Amino acid sequence: NAGVTQTPKFQVLKTGQSMTLQCAQDMNHEYMSWYRQDPGMGLRLIHYSVGAGITDQGEVPNGYNVSRSTTEDFPLRLLSAAPSQTSVYFCASSYGGGAETQYFGPGTRLLVL
Amino acid sequence: AQKVTQAQTEISVVEKEDVTLDCVYETRDTTYYLFWYKQPPSGELVFLIRRNSFDEQNEISGRYSWNFQKSTSSFNFTITASQVVDSAVYFCALMQYNFNKFYFGSGTKLNVKP
Repeated sequence: NAGVTQTPKFQVLKTGQSMTLQCAQDMNHEYMSWYRQDPGMGLRLIHYSVGAGITDQGEVPNGYNVSRSTTEDFPLRLLSAAPSQTSVYFCASSYGGGAETQYFGPGTRLLVL
Repeated sequence: AQKVTQAQTEISVVEKEDVTLDCVYETRDTTYYLFWYKQPPSGELVFLIRRNSFDEQNEISGRYSWNFQKSTSSFNFTITASQVVDSAVYFCALMQYNFNKFYFGSGTKLNVKP
């Protein structure tokens, strides 16, 4: 199993550009989520999904869109990038919500100029 | 509201010293789960332990041990005989039962010097 994979590893955007961060898992996990990590703030939940076709907002959803058309994939879309979205983005998955341990991808480092 | 506080921003120790990383949480729920994750310099997040709110037994895994005390809402992590490879950022996290949201602390950066 490849586990949780994320692409790209690093991306530079200009303000106003849009892009999609890709996340895929091959563990047949129902639950997937996106976090951003900023210095001194730990990880904050952006959006999550409890299964294909179901998504919900986390703590900091503004400026981001998600969809879940398959169990395996959970892309994160930045609609109009802003410098405040400069961060490291982590995707995670687990068998379910509740007490299940989340497994994290390697992260995508995003710089918005 | 759920909140996790890791008051120690950064700790430096010399190899072979013991070190304790503090984690204090806030929740009104009676059922919840607590986690510790390690983030080495390479950047990935590595799961270390999960604990539910009904199990206050301390846990030991090799040089790692965890002390969960509901009375003080704390879930502290001790590394015995630290090694340079333990250098990393360590995150404590809280999850509500049957909810799908993790609440992470801000992390403690541990520097272990040879």
